[in-house]
Amino acid sequence: EVQLVESGGALVQPGGSLRLSCAGSGFTFSAHWMYWVRQAPGKGLVWVSRINGDGSQINYADSVKGRFSISRDNAKNTLYLQMNSLRADDTAVYYCARTTAFVSTADWGQGTLVTVSS
Amino acid sequence: DIVMTQSPDSLAVSLGERATINCRCSQSVLMNYNNKNYVAWYQQKPGQPPKLLIYWASTRESGVPDRFSGSGSGTDFTLSISSLQAGDVADYYCQQYYTSPITFGQGTRLEIK
Repeated sequence: EVQLVESGGALVQPGGSLRLSCAGSGFTFSAHWMYWVRQAPGKGLVWVSRINGDGSQINYADSVKGRFSISRDNAKNTLYLQMNSLRADDTAVYYCARTTAFVSTADWGQGTLVTVSS
Repeated sequence: DIVMTQSPDSLAVSLGERATINCRCSQSVLMNYNNKNYVAWYQQKPGQPPKLLIYWASTRESGVPDRFSGSGSGTDFTLSISSLQAGDVADYYCQQYYTSPITFGQGTRLEIK
């Protein structure tokens, strides 16, 4: 069974940093593109970043470019999102998702809540 | 970026009746080389992550009841839920994965009338 488990969400002050993790199991982690998607309270789904299987291809949404950094450790089956210079509008539930041959975000974790507030 | 526009924003349907949600893309998401439309539909219940229902516009994900069906091609797509059940109350999102960045519709809230 495919499982994705996010962690690392917290309350952080504006300008602060946070690192999210997403542990994958039940599949060959290194074979899949992985995504971060966020959802602000009461709002819709917004793509944040993606990374290919070996980490050589990375893309970011304009809203986080230069502030967020995606990475992965395939030996630990873990995806990361380093978030710096956090702003109030970064407040959201952050989901990691796995790509399959059929669709970009086939399987999703339960999400981790990031709250940016003073 | 491809803009995905869903209609309606909210929908109330009686139990046992059909619900229909529409999604329009700002450009075609039909891949010519394989003739597939790169549209997916997701269901999200309160406090839960999105769940994949449909991919390639009309292919049901494994385990999804056949009451859920997707149709459309090019720029216009539809998710239909026949014989609505109480457990279908949720937010529904369309998504295009034809090109990066992937983008989602704004969501449609489905309720029981």
